[in-house]
Amino acid sequence: SQQGEEDPQALSIQEGENATMNCSYKTSINNLQWYRQNSGRGLVHLILIRSNEREKHSGRLRVTLDTSKKSSSLLITASRAADTASYFCATDEPRDYKLSFGAGTTVTVRA
Amino acid sequence: DGGITQSPKYLFRKEGQNVTLSCEQNLNHDAMYWYRQDPGQGLRLIYYSQIVNDFQKGDIAEGYSVSREKKESFPLTVTSAQKNPTAFYLCASSTSVAWTYEQYFGPGTRLTVT
Repeated sequence: SQQGEEDPQALSIQEGENATMNCSYKTSINNLQWYRQNSGRGLVHLILIRSNEREKHSGRLRVTLDTSKKSSSLLITASRAADTASYFCATDEPRDYKLSFGAGTTVTVRA
Repeated sequence: DGGITQSPKYLFRKEGQNVTLSCEQNLNHDAMYWYRQDPGQGLRLIYYSQIVNDFQKGDIAEGYSVSREKKESFPLTVTSAQKNPTAFYLCASSTSVAWTYEQYFGPGTRLTVT
């Protein structure tokens, strides 16, 4: 079953602007991961944040995790046309390590 | 050049036929997975394998079968019992039997059954 739900479903921004998307989940998790998928391609891992971490950075990406609200956010700063893609959060639960993916946020970066 | 390969990229079949999708990895990963993705949706787990000669059903295994005879290979057969087989199929692998590691994905196979 899908545990994560991304919000918004779609996002359109101008190049250079920041993009923020959120992921909410229902049950306790071990870790939360974010993946990117370009149209018609496989997924690429972006960042993993563990349940005892609150914030993580990787280049222009910033991920936060609030376990009390069961939510995470992904911020892409200074967006580029190449950031146009769908972004998925994925969670795994204690004692059940299957990854559950949300339906994704589709980001379009306009030149 | 390490990675996961899936072939073919596009596959067309007539209803009632079984079809096998290939997945090969040279990353020396123990764990391999098969997912299905439908338009506008996330990934749903079909089968996974933590080690050679062992595999487990995921959330939507009905109508699918797999084998894991070699560490590098995890083929998926879509049988005629799968009621709605048209979808984008993604294979992935990860280092460890524990799931708290990143998964590496292949480029996917788009299957169309008419």
